[in-house]
Amino acid sequence: TQLLEQSPQFLSIQEGENLTVYCNSSSVFSSLQWYRQEPGEGPVLLVTVVTGGEVKKLKRLTFQFGDARKDSSLHITAAQPGDTGLYLCVRCGSARQLTFGSGTQLTVLP
Amino acid sequence: NAGVTQTPKFQVLKTGQSMTLQCAQDMNHEYMSWYRQDPGMGLRLIHYSVGAGITDQGEVPNGYNVSRSTTEDFPLRLLSAAPSQTSVYFCASSSGRPQETQYFGPGTRLLVL
Repeated sequence: TQLLEQSPQFLSIQEGENLTVYCNSSSVFSSLQWYRQEPGEGPVLLVTVVTGGEVKKLKRLTFQFGDARKDSSLHITAAQPGDTGLYLCVRCGSARQLTFGSGTQLTVLP
Repeated sequence: NAGVTQTPKFQVLKTGQSMTLQCAQDMNHEYMSWYRQDPGMGLRLIHYSVGAGITDQGEVPNGYNVSRSTTEDFPLRLLSAAPSQTSVYFCASSSGRPQETQYFGPGTRLLVL
């Protein structure tokens, strides 16, 4: 089993603070996705990164794929309560080859 | 366009009972999958299907059956429920191409007593 480690497991911050969460693997990703899951709902795709060193921005969210394609980070600038949720990184391929990390549970306090 | 729908939202079963979790999608996706989500363990693949009439096992298939008679529907059957099957179950669909978006349903919360 190819494990995905996400850190931190839990993060609680005040509105307006910045934060970074991480996704690491011992093996190379062909590509990686980040999903956000809100309470009582299914995960929703945020971004897909494919190329080593790639950086993608989605409003206040910045996603980076490591040069060696073995790690990724998600940085949130000026977090808002609406950012609260479980952030999941996913090693992707065919449906048979999806591997989910255990997630980072983010709580942004007003 | 409803996306992926799941029923029921909540279910309580007694050990040994059977039930079927329903999943339907209206996006004409070939790939459909069932996952279970347990605290601290992310989502684990139970069964998946690459098209009508074709199913295969995922990481944790024991105790579950699936069938895919139509493109739209992918039910998950618990044959004889056990407390270890207490979990949140998610159905997902996608076009099946690598890196494509997985669309998830809202989940079914199952408690087995």
